[in-house]
Amino acid sequence: EAGVTQFPSHSVIEKGQTVTLRCDPISGHDNLYWYRRVMGKEIKFLLHFVKESKQDESGMPNNRFLAERTGGTYSTLKVQPAELEDSGVYFCASSLTTYNEQFFGPGTRLTVL
Amino acid sequence: KQEVTQIPAALSVPEGENLVLNCSFTDSAIYNLQWFRQDPGKGLTSLLLIQSSQREQTSGRLNASLDKSSGRSTLYIAASQPGDSATYLCAVPLDQTGANNLFFGTGTRLTVIP
Repeated sequence: EAGVTQFPSHSVIEKGQTVTLRCDPISGHDNLYWYRRVMGKEIKFLLHFVKESKQDESGMPNNRFLAERTGGTYSTLKVQPAELEDSGVYFCASSLTTYNEQFFGPGTRLTVL
Repeated sequence: KQEVTQIPAALSVPEGENLVLNCSFTDSAIYNLQWFRQDPGKGLTSLLLIQSSQREQTSGRLNASLDKSSGRSTLYIAASQPGDSATYLCAVPLDQTGANNLFFGTGTRLTVIP
């Protein structure tokens, strides 16, 4: 069974540009999470989907970040416009139910120049 | 707010040694605790999940314990091998209905010397 996949693995963009990250959860997992790690800091929660609904988006840093999960399958995280402080590694995770073990993808390394 | 601390930040041991990694958390209202490993440039691999009702969980050479009341967990690795070299992270969610956002520690970077 395929694990959580993320695309792209790396993205380098200039300040002010737009970037869209994609996450494909494990098939059948209703719960999908986004996290990020900025340089030297711990991994921090961004938001949680249950199917296509946003269950918790308390970790989203500001309105430049937009997450969607149309149809309750894959999810996208758009950053528009990107700022220097958005650089980091963005992880996606999924779980079968809300209180189950979370499985993480390999992450997308975003560099904003 | 939940804060997770991992000590030590880095650990270097010779192959074959048994070792213990520590994790502490400030809010004991958790319903589980998860240990992960992360290899350089890779994602997180789930190692063990301990439910709040459990005191320990074992998988192969790994044993994780949980003392919820004192806000502590330990990950014991027996007979360490060079392939165990990685960063080990612990993470806890808060016991809120419908919430499962994980709070992570900064990790312990383990090096096992052949």
